[in-house]
Amino acid sequence: RKEVEQDPGPFNVPEGATVAFNCTYSNSASQSFFWYRQDCRKEPKLLMSVYSSGNEDGRFTAQLNRASQYISLLIRDSKLSDSATYLCVVNMRWNSGYSTLTFGKGTMLLVSP
Amino acid sequence: GAGVSQSPRYKVAKRGQDVALRCDPISGHVSLFWYQQALGQGPEFLTYFQNEAQLDKSGLPSDRFFAERPEGSVSTLKIQRTQQEDSAVYLCASSLDGTARGSLETQYFGPGTRLLVL
Repeated sequence: RKEVEQDPGPFNVPEGATVAFNCTYSNSASQSFFWYRQDCRKEPKLLMSVYSSGNEDGRFTAQLNRASQYISLLIRDSKLSDSATYLCVVNMRWNSGYSTLTFGKGTMLLVSP
Repeated sequence: GAGVSQSPRYKVAKRGQDVALRCDPISGHVSLFWYQQALGQGPEFLTYFQNEAQLDKSGLPSDRFFAERPEGSVSTLKIQRTQQEDSAVYLCASSLDGTARGSLETQYFGPGTRLLVL
């Protein structure tokens, strides 16, 4: 079982649609959570951190449920420029103090006119 | 300011050839990470440096992979006797302080080196 699992995608949606991505993680000791965005042939870039209380940044809303080990990302009023792969990322903090990121496989979003 | 840079951006190697991939992290960043991203997959952790110390190399797939950061800034990932399964994008990331929490540990990625082994 992969440590971070995401919806397989791709998601094809029209402009203006609302789309939701789901993610589950296996390690209950995981400590922080993120969504990264990766455009085709580009590097991943941090989209937003995910907090237990839920957080919103414009059209993007992220939720975390630690009990269910579940993370979500909601995009409202999707734009053509939202087309990308969305990576669910979990941060493990080791006893020696440093932390490493574990990435999901990513879910591709294609927004069409 | 300059971000993380990597070179070369593209590398074609014949099977069995040795390759060296370079990463220049953001100036002043203590932590440096290498990831391997195969086609259609998310990045997978290879190794981690805190300054010049390699604290975790658990993700290196075989002893053909070797990484160093001798002066605590630039890092090189070397792959010896390359195999076709080594074909992937190799991403480098750096963070100001990987032992801190919050924004200090946000990882910034370089553009990657796309390696193709024939």
